[in-house]
Amino acid sequence: TQLLEQSPQFLSIQEGENLTVYCNSSSVFSSLQWYRQEPGEGPVLLVTVVTGGEVKKLKRLTFQFGDARKDSSLHITAAQPGDTGLYLCAGSLYNNNDMRFGAGTRLTVKP
Amino acid sequence: NAGVTQTPKFQVLKTGQSMTLQCAQDMNHEYMSWYRQDPGMGLRLIHYSVGAGITDQGEVPNGYNVSRSTTEDFPLRLLSAAPSQTSVYFCASKVRDSTNEKLFFGSGTQLSVL
Repeated sequence: TQLLEQSPQFLSIQEGENLTVYCNSSSVFSSLQWYRQEPGEGPVLLVTVVTGGEVKKLKRLTFQFGDARKDSSLHITAAQPGDTGLYLCAGSLYNNNDMRFGAGTRLTVKP
Repeated sequence: NAGVTQTPKFQVLKTGQSMTLQCAQDMNHEYMSWYRQDPGMGLRLIHYSVGAGITDQGEVPNGYNVSRSTTEDFPLRLLSAAPSQTSVYFCASKVRDSTNEKLFFGSGTQLSVL
């Protein structure tokens, strides 16, 4: 079983729609990170959330860290085709070096 | 800056062959790591290093060796390749061993073991 469970695994929507993807765990994290990965490339960091209940906004993307620091969500408003990609959450439990990733949500935004 | 550079981009091996995946970074990062990415599994940590001369195992270390003789380079060795090692391999680095630091990834090596 994955330490970080992401849902949904796949999401296909029309341009202009809103969406939310989730990252859940039974474990407590000191921080969580969200990455976006495009085909043939490595993941690129979008945001780091540190404080329970924290909300961060990055243009049309809103990231939230759960109060208990066990879960996080990514909400995209008015999705655009350029948002298409694999969204990964990541966190570290035992030490600062062992960064674990979820399996990802593959988002397709159709024009 | 080149960032994190991985070579080769693609590789096909036969079962039992050995090879080394190369990773170099030019950002003077202390921390470097290797991940493998498989469909539905996300990225799984193989080995990591917090500085030259220091390495440690991650989640899936079996079948892989690493060394860190310089700050810049962190090669990953497959001593006897197996079909289960067919995967996409990513090298990553960051400034130091902190959970809040950004991981910089290379563009990956796609490995097929026949």
